[in-house]
Amino acid sequence: GAVVSQHPSWVICKSGTSVKIECRSLDFQATTMFWYRQFPKQSLMLMATSNEGSKATYEQGVEKDKFLINHASLTLSTLTVTSAHPEDSSFYICSASPGQFYEQYFGPGTRLTVT
Amino acid sequence: SQQGEEDPQALSIQEGENATMNCSYKTSINNLQWYRQNSGRGLVHLILIRSNEREKHSGRLRVTLDTSKKSSSLLITASRAADTASYFCATVSGNTGKLIFGQGTTLQVKP
Repeated sequence: GAVVSQHPSWVICKSGTSVKIECRSLDFQATTMFWYRQFPKQSLMLMATSNEGSKATYEQGVEKDKFLINHASLTLSTLTVTSAHPEDSSFYICSASPGQFYEQYFGPGTRLTVT
Repeated sequence: SQQGEEDPQALSIQEGENATMNCSYKTSINNLQWYRQNSGRGLVHLILIRSNEREKHSGRLRVTLDTSKKSSSLLITASRAADTASYFCATVSGNTGKLIFGQGTTLQVKP
């Protein structure tokens, strides 16, 4: 149980385009989902917290107009990187939780490369 | 923002040896968790220790927590080549449920 999927697993896009990444909880209802970014050989940095049906809460320094997060259902959250630039190239990982204080279950990550 | 430091940053040992990784954090916590990440993959949850616990075991894993020193350690006994991965500690504080990760330790176990 407690499986989280991400799609796509990797994506290459041209600078200036937008990319959408999906995060799905497959066998539980995720009231809360978290989005992280990880640069090579570095740790995970929390980008934002999203609760189903409400606006995401972004961490300091994360541009909410650039990283659009939608958590429209209890099993799906999406992260859209708008007008992507090469510096947005990173590994994006989501996690899902049945509630804010429950264990987080991590997706396998999405490798984004912007050329 | 990162919660704290992990040391060592990199550790290389022979199969069968024990591996110890340390994590320090800055703020008071509700719990501390350890995760493993294989290269280019997602995270695997290893163990959670609450702020009122001092030690916890799970298989070959032993975690200690010293809240007075704001530090934790992860011991992997009788290491195997398959244990080669990056290990991260992460803390949960306050009422947000957010995980704040440490810098991580890269462990290499040589067969």
